Amino acid sequence: GENVEQHPSTLSVQEGDSAVIKCTYSDSASNYFPWYKQELGKGPQLIIDIRSNVGEKKDQRIAVTLNKTAKHFSLHITETQPEDSAVYFCAASILTGGGNKLTFGTGTQLKVEL
Amino acid sequence: ETGVTQTPRHLVMGMTNKKSLKCEQHLGHNAMYWYKQSAKKPLELMFVYSLEERVENNSVPSRFSPECPNSSHLFLHLHTLQPEDSALYLCASSQEEGRGQPQHFGDGTRLSIL
Repeated sequence: GENVEQHPSTLSVQEGDSAVIKCTYSDSASNYFPWYKQELGKGPQLIIDIRSNVGEKKDQRIAVTLNKTAKHFSLHITETQPEDSAVYFCAASILTGGGNKLTFGTGTQLKVEL
Repeated sequence: ETGVTQTPRHLVMGMTNKKSLKCEQHLGHNAMYWYKQSAKKPLELMFVYSLEERVENNSVPSRFSPECPNSSHLFLHLHTLQPEDSALYLCASSQEEGRGQPQHFGDGTRLSIL
């Protein structure tokens, strides 16, 4: 089955700096890669996703890059703000009918310091 | 408001009790999921229902029994649980169209087994 590794497990940055979180996956057939943000006491919220036919996607201060050859994808947050502090999860799946079975990474605790 | 509502938010039960977790989605989706989130571990997919049919059961112990009476409701029936079952149980939903759509999560039920 699919295996997703995520690094780092914790990341501390100064407000205004950029943050980068990296994930690798094992199944070359995976073609859908979402990123989730989880705040304390809340469920994960989708912040951005990318499909394998695209190498990069950007949404305001958040961007995701995908390297299919190397089987890794990364989340980039620019101009970090204190409200970006949360746990971030990457995930991977193979898009087929009958449910989207995501395999998640172990999460990155991001702390944005003033 | 996430569109996916889970009740109760917290549950404490003894190992011999029987209880049920409830999930309701208000997004018009036709696939629903149960995940287990334990500290320092990736989210673990437990069950997937697509069009009210169970399509995935990831070797989950029989003390966990899912039920999906319609596309808007999902239950997880619990009986004779073990201390290691203490975790955050998350429900998610998505719209399945063969291409995979983002999963939307509820805020979870925090389960503690005494």
